[in-house]
Amino acid sequence: RKEVEQDPGPFNVPEGATVAFNCTYSNSASQSFFWYRQDCRKEPKLLMSVYSSGNEDGRFTAQLNRASQYISLLIRDSKLSDSATYLCGERGTASKLTFGTGTRLQVTL
Amino acid sequence: DAEITQSPRHKITETGRQVTLACHQTWNHNNMFWYRQDLGHGLRLIHYSYGVQDTNKGEVSDGYSVSRSNTEDLPLTLESAASSQTSVYFCASSANSGNTIYFGEGSWLTVV
Repeated sequence: RKEVEQDPGPFNVPEGATVAFNCTYSNSASQSFFWYRQDCRKEPKLLMSVYSSGNEDGRFTAQLNRASQYISLLIRDSKLSDSATYLCGERGTASKLTFGTGTRLQVTL
Repeated sequence: DAEITQSPRHKITETGRQVTLACHQTWNHNNMFWYRQDLGHGLRLIHYSYGVQDTNKGEVSDGYSVSRSNTEDLPLTLESAASSQTSVYFCASSANSGNTIYFGEGSWLTVV
């Protein structure tokens, strides 16, 4: 089993829709979690960290469920510019990040 | 502005040749990483370093080596390039455990 798993999608949603992605992890000792956004042929860029209490940044909300070992990303009022691949990452006791394969989102008119 | 840069950005090489991809960061970060990204596999860790003279193997280290002679640079060497090493390579760095990892713009390598 992969350490971090994501549904590759693509998720095709109309502009204005709400969409949610989940990401499961296998390492119960994982210390911290992140969501990265990656545009086509570009480097991943940090979207948000995921805290135990959950966190929100504008239209984006991230949640952590340690009991079921998954993190989620909710995007409200989707924009065309949200079209990208969303990567979840987890960090164990070391500083290295392990990533899922990414979930592709396509927002359409 | 501090940054992380990779070179070359694009390279085509022949099977069997030695190739070195450079990574340079100006943030004075202790931690540096090399990932490769392939369709269906996502980002996979090749090698990483927590400081000068420290190197560690990642998930897919076979055929690759790194050296860390200073804080700023972590060059990745493909000892004898193989077609299976055709990929996009991303260098990344972070200050300390728990801090954000920042990625370079990537190096597109094609082995023919």
